[in-house]
Amino acid sequence: QSVLTQPPSVSGAPGQRVTISCAGTASNIGAAYDVHWYQQLPGAAPKLLISGYNNRPSGVPDRFSASRSGTSASLAITGLQAEDEADYYCQSYDSSLSGWVFGGGTALTVL
Amino acid sequence: EVQLVQSGAEVKKSGESLKISCQGSGFSFTRTWIAWVRQMPGKGLEWMGIIYPGDSDTTYSPSFQGQVTISADKSTSTVYLHWNSLKASDTAMYYCATRSCSDLNCFDPWGQGTLVTVSS
Repeated sequence: QSVLTQPPSVSGAPGQRVTISCAGTASNIGAAYDVHWYQQLPGAAPKLLISGYNNRPSGVPDRFSASRSGTSASLAITGLQAEDEADYYCQSYDSSLSGWVFGGGTALTVL
Repeated sequence: EVQLVQSGAEVKKSGESLKISCQGSGFSFTRTWIAWVRQMPGKGLEWMGIIYPGDSDTTYSPSFQGQVTISADKSTSTVYLHWNSLKASDTAMYYCATRSCSDLNCFDPWGQGTLVTVSS
């Protein structure tokens, strides 16, 4: 049971927009700790996709964007491409656990 | 370029000990927190613990406290993850990653991962 809750899977057709939600609590997202998003392509290590308030590392297209409200956050992907098919994880810090927490991951399928 | 290179895959038996490594380059090793993250087969990411090689200050997730030991060797810029007695449930991919971002609460970059397989 992950501290941050994500849907197990989402899907969309090429060119469409999808969102992935990440539900937290008052001790993590609700405590204003930054939410970070990672992309894990099949067979690869996770890679930082977006940090905090839409900070994208070099090479990450602006089709990826993040938002947050209250105790939740979300990742939006517009103009879906086949290469976006991967697992996506949200991550934050939790003051009650005094440690870092991840969502359970969401598998994105591009139809 | 900031880089983390992990040791190769391991196949062990239950009860055996194991130490896997993560060597850093391209950054100030002694001034950068380095974490270990577990990914069990087909499952998500779990933060295990983190170490500051400068003074070996280490924090463990409650789920992993007492189960593993994290250490660092400043002379070789290497962080280790050690088990005294492996269990079949330790079978997983293990990643190291540096603590980064403006809030110092994200992990970037990550090592390539070390697959540990434990047979009973």
